[in-house]
Amino acid sequence: AQSVTQLDSQVPVFEEAPVELRCNYSSSVSVYLFWYVQYPNQGLQLLLKYLSGSTLVKGINGFEAEFNKSQTSFHLRKPSVHISDTAEYFCAVINAGNNRKLIWGLGTSLAVNP
Amino acid sequence: GAVVSQHPSWVICKSGTSVKIECRSLDFQATTMFWYRQFPKQSLMLMATSNEGSKATYEQGVEKDKFLINHASLTLSTLTVTSAHPEDSSFYICSARQAGETQYFGPGTRLLVL
Repeated sequence: AQSVTQLDSQVPVFEEAPVELRCNYSSSVSVYLFWYVQYPNQGLQLLLKYLSGSTLVKGINGFEAEFNKSQTSFHLRKPSVHISDTAEYFCAVINAGNNRKLIWGLGTSLAVNP
Repeated sequence: GAVVSQHPSWVICKSGTSVKIECRSLDFQATTMFWYRQFPKQSLMLMATSNEGSKATYEQGVEKDKFLINHASLTLSTLTVTSAHPEDSSFYICSARQAGETQYFGPGTRLLVL
């Protein structure tokens, strides 16, 4: 079965420090990969996605992620975080063989401290 | 572009009443809409997938008579929680997909059943 693992449930970090939120997936077929951000009491906003092409994907708010097929990973990075980046981050995968439903990770809570 | 709205943003109702939540794609036509439920500090749980003009496909364990979904047009889907009970209190989020793989999410509706 397909699955998505976000290795860290919580990531505390100081403002202006770099951050990496880890995501690994399991799949035997081609996948499409997504990162969404959820601010408190709000819906989800698409940060970035990998469908094909370059494995380094740049998204909004200065975030980027790299698709690594051999390691089945899609880690999210930002070189310098702001207080406003405090939110819940979800990694999700669409498997070419699962009728295009999103398979979700459990989320990583990023807390940026001054 | 790709804006999805939900109405209402939050609702409080008495046990036994029915509540209707609307999901609209504002600037694109959504061939498929999804309804999710999210419990505090948890990931999203897919409830059902609806395609315009056809019956919704419900996930295992989701009562179709309890959660009525209508997708009457390419820009509107509704979720009706019938005879709501306190255990139905949750955060309900819809998403819409056009032709590609990307889902765009609404801001969510918080339901509290007293």
